[in-house]
Amino acid sequence: KAGVTQTPRYLIKTRGQQVTLSCSPISGHRSVSWYQQTPGQGLQFLFEYFSETQRNKGNFPGRFSGRQFSNSRSEMNVSTLELGDSALYLCASSLALVSGNTIYFGEGSWLTVV
Amino acid sequence: GIQVEQSPPDLILQEGANSTLRCNFSDSVNNLQWFHQNPWGQLINLFYIPSGTKQNGRLSATTVATERYSLLYISSSQTTDSGVYFCAVDQPGAQKLVFGQGTRLTINP
Repeated sequence: KAGVTQTPRYLIKTRGQQVTLSCSPISGHRSVSWYQQTPGQGLQFLFEYFSETQRNKGNFPGRFSGRQFSNSRSEMNVSTLELGDSALYLCASSLALVSGNTIYFGEGSWLTVV
Repeated sequence: GIQVEQSPPDLILQEGANSTLRCNFSDSVNNLQWFHQNPWGQLINLFYIPSGTKQNGRLSATTVATERYSLLYISSSQTTDSGVYFCAVDQPGAQKLVFGQGTRLTINP
């Protein structure tokens, strides 16, 4: 069956703009979590959604937000982009909540802010 | 919060060599997972291993939860094994994975 699909794969945005990233989980998976990867900070947890509800949120400013739809697809939005938001954004899905379940990652969305 | 430390940070080997990657964590965990990040950025799940030993082909992993560490063994390395290996843990009640900083493995032909 299809894996986790993230779109777009690559994008370049200007400071101050906003961006929306999309993630389609593996069929049947109800949990979607998002991570930011940068060379300096490594992989950091952004948030997790399960059954359309945000279950947990990492230590990121309010400019980072997300949502999950009834078909488990998820989007994350970053408003008022800053140069430091340049990163690889990874989405992962699991059958249920992350705790106690194997998670599977998509290929990521490479965001460059100029 | 929990600290996850991986060692060594970098490892360069010749094809055919064996390697051991280590992951230490500072507190009790619900689960531990190992991932391989390929050159294109995708994280591939290798093992879900909160405790005990598992094997998958040339790869095996052991987690000793009571001593708060996990080991990933790669035997007869191939150039395709190159990349960054991450371990990630989640704590009871935390509902999120905390990643180590990774071990960058380079296998030369």
